[in-house]
Amino acid sequence: RKEVEQDPGPFNVPEGATVAFNCTYSNSASQSFFWYRQDCRKEPKLLMSVYSSGNEDGRFTAQLNRASQYISLLIRDSKLSDSATYLCVVNMEIQGAQKLVFGQGTRLTINP
Amino acid sequence: DVKVTQSSRYLVKRTGEKVFLECVQDMDHENMFWYRQDPGLGLRLIYFSYDVKMKEKGDIPEGYSVSREKKERFSLILESASTNQTSMYLCASSFKRTGRIYNEQFFGPGTRLTVL
Repeated sequence: RKEVEQDPGPFNVPEGATVAFNCTYSNSASQSFFWYRQDCRKEPKLLMSVYSSGNEDGRFTAQLNRASQYISLLIRDSKLSDSATYLCVVNMEIQGAQKLVFGQGTRLTINP
Repeated sequence: DVKVTQSSRYLVKRTGEKVFLECVQDMDHENMFWYRQDPGLGLRLIYFSYDVKMKEKGDIPEGYSVSREKKERFSLILESASTNQTSMYLCASSFKRTGRIYNEQFFGPGTRLTVL
């Protein structure tokens, strides 16, 4: 099993739709969770940290499910500018060292 | 605004050349990282540093070395470039962990390196 696993997509959805994707992680001891956004040919940028109680920022909602070891990202009323790759990031202890592990990303395209 | 800068956006080198990639951050971050990003493989950690003159191997350190002589600067060195090191190289920095909680990493714009 991969340490952090995401469906690579691509997800193609119409403007205004609601879209959700999940990310599963392998280490039950993980404590820090993030969603990053990466536009084409640009660097990743933090979209949201994911807290145990879940958190919302405008049209974006992130949830953490520790029992099933996944985090989710929900985008409501999607905009053309939401088209990007969304990276799931989780901290893990690997061979005695703490690291942040990035998923491969889920590619999202919003169509007019 | 946090700023992480990288010395070049695009670089073309020949096999066997020594390559230096420089990264500078202006937010007094303790941690600095070097990643490479390849299609289908995502971001992979090469090396990281938690303090000046300190370095730790990441997941794919072979063929690379690093230097951190000053807090704001972290250099990645390819001693003898090879074609399989053609990639996008991303530098990042962050504050050190708060207890067991990690802080946000801020990325530079990336250097697209082509080795011929």
